[in-house]
Amino acid sequence: EPEVTQTPSHQVTQMGQEVILRCVPISNHLYFYWYRQILGQKVEFLVSFYNNEISEKSEIFDDQFSVERPDGSNFTLKIRSTKLEDSAMYFCASSLDRVTEAFFGQGTRLTVV
Amino acid sequence: AQKVTQAQTEISVVEKEDVTLDCVYETRDTTYYLFWYKQPPSGELVFLIRRNSFDEQNEISGRYSWNFQKSTSSFNFTITASQVVDSAVYFCALSFTGGGNKLTFGTGTQLKVEL
Repeated sequence: EPEVTQTPSHQVTQMGQEVILRCVPISNHLYFYWYRQILGQKVEFLVSFYNNEISEKSEIFDDQFSVERPDGSNFTLKIRSTKLEDSAMYFCASSLDRVTEAFFGQGTRLTVV
Repeated sequence: AQKVTQAQTEISVVEKEDVTLDCVYETRDTTYYLFWYKQPPSGELVFLIRRNSFDEQNEISGRYSWNFQKSTSSFNFTITASQVVDSAVYFCALSFTGGGNKLTFGTGTQLKVEL
């Protein structure tokens, strides 16, 4: 069964460093998303991406964040100058189109120290 | 603005008991989708169901059933004959149909099923 794959599963970084979280969406899906879950809290929408551009973003997704689809298979989330409060589980998701349900990856746990 | 409330923070049951997880939502949109996701201890989010606001029929899938009541803005989830493997955090979520997969999640209900 096709699945969304995220790497790494856990990343530890020093405050102020840049991190790139990687995702391989399901191959025929066209819409891609990033969500964030701070430990013990609810899952929050960050951004949606279609046709090589951001289609929607939340208030959380400020200039510190960027997304990119560098090739035909990967979808990345870059966090510049990480802060302690960026520590969270980051989920990538993809959907076939705008109206079908999204499938989530297993998440990348980011720890900023 | 959209809001999803899962008032039950944690539920503990003994295996084989039935358990219902509550979800109440708020939205001004006339058409929307409701979802349930499961997050087992391993951390991934597993899609369980999506229901269109036009479709108020209850749904059953094996031991799982969902009760959608528009009149009370609720979308409750029942697990029949619970098993230890059902132990997880369950999230209810909402999106308006024009919003694609921009989901608003509830805070989740931790379900613990013990032997």
